[in-house]
Amino acid sequence: TQLLEQSPQFLSIQEGENLTVYCNSSSVFSSLQWYRQEPGEGPVLLVTVVTGGEVKKLKRLTFQFGDARKDSSLHITAAQPGDTGLYLCAGGDSGAGSYQLTFGKGTKLSVIP
Amino acid sequence: NAGVTQTPKFRVLKTGQSMTLLCAQDMNHEYMYWYRQDPGMGLRLIHYSVGEGTTAKGEVPDGYNVSRLKKQNFLLGLESAAPSQTSVYFCASRPHRAGDQPQHFGDGTRLSIL
Repeated sequence: TQLLEQSPQFLSIQEGENLTVYCNSSSVFSSLQWYRQEPGEGPVLLVTVVTGGEVKKLKRLTFQFGDARKDSSLHITAAQPGDTGLYLCAGGDSGAGSYQLTFGKGTKLSVIP
Repeated sequence: NAGVTQTPKFRVLKTGQSMTLLCAQDMNHEYMYWYRQDPGMGLRLIHYSVGEGTTAKGEVPDGYNVSRLKKQNFLLGLESAAPSQTSVYFCASRPHRAGDQPQHFGDGTRLSIL
């Protein structure tokens, strides 16, 4: 069974601060996806990283996939109240045929104005 | 674009009652999934389907059954509801295309078992 450990579980910061969320596993994944979920809604994809060492930027968000494809990080620069939400990492196994995702337990981010 | 639609949005059941949750997608996706989301537990896969007429067990299948009679619909059934099944249930779909496509989620069904 593949497991994804996500940390921290909760994060409360002031507007303008920087933060990093980590997603770690002992297993290798074919890809790593990051989703954001707001209350009362389903998760929505932010980014997919597929190559070891890959870095993707989405405005103030920077995503990195570890060289060994076992870990990933999400860094937010100058956080804003609109960044508040639950961030989920999910490891993909395209070789399984069913394209299942293994989700981390999530990081609940609160950005205080 | 409706995407993935889940019905109902909320439901309260008594222990032992049965019910069916409906998931409908209008994107012609091959793969569909049912998850439950509990506080501190993330999303856990209950059952999934790789195409019309096929289903398979996920991580936490006990107490649930599913059916995929039509490509666009994926039903999740609780035959005899238990308080431990109180949760928020999410349905997701993705296309058959190879590679790391995202899963598209509905907005969830909040289910309480008394």
